[in-house]
Amino acid sequence: QVQLVQSGAEVKKPGSSVKVSCKASGKTFSNYGINWVRQAPGQGLEWMGGLIPAFGRPNYAQKFQGRVTISEDVATSTAYMELSSLTSEDTAVYYCARSFKVADYFDSWGQGTLVTVSS
Amino acid sequence: DIQMTQSPSILSASVGDRVTITCRASQSVSDWLAWYQQKPGKAPQLLMYRVSSLQSGVPSRFSGSGFGTEFTLTISSLQPDDFATYYCQQYNNYSTFGQGTKVEIK
Repeated sequence: QVQLVQSGAEVKKPGSSVKVSCKASGKTFSNYGINWVRQAPGQGLEWMGGLIPAFGRPNYAQKFQGRVTISEDVATSTAYMELSSLTSEDTAVYYCARSFKVADYFDSWGQGTLVTVSS
Repeated sequence: DIQMTQSPSILSASVGDRVTITCRASQSVSDWLAWYQQKPGKAPQLLMYRVSSLQSGVPSRFSGSGFGTEFTLTISSLQPDDFATYYCQQYNNYSTFGQGTKVEIK
């Protein structure tokens, strides 16, 4: 069973960027999709994008195109999500989630990383 | 983008009740539909994929049905551990979630 462990909570200023990490253990990292899903306080789930490390090319939800970058370091089995030009509306818990391909169903989730955007 | 709409938004029920949640897609997603359960402060957990395939370890009181644009999640006999929020997800065209259905104690 894969385990996904995310980096800790962040507090950021409006206009800045945040980079969240997701380290995978267990089954082979590079052959599965790693996706990012966020959840604003009291709100639902929102898929941001994902990639399969073996193929490297990420797919992004249209809403986040140009503002999000998803990457991976296969050597350390770690995926990253960087979100730029932060506003208060980006305050949310960010989850990484594993799938068999990008934008598939998600069978394992990280514990979540709270990103707070505040001046 | 494909929009997913769940109903009801809140469902009040008692232990032992049969509970049904509906999820409608703005266009056909074939059978590329999953359901998740989320408890406060926790990450979502996969219940079902491909409409009706039960994820390993999920109790058999959970079942799913549907195709195309209309889907249902049924809990045959609600247990105390089932009070949570449930989300549907389409993965036919990228990924979109429904807004969630909170199952609360009546």
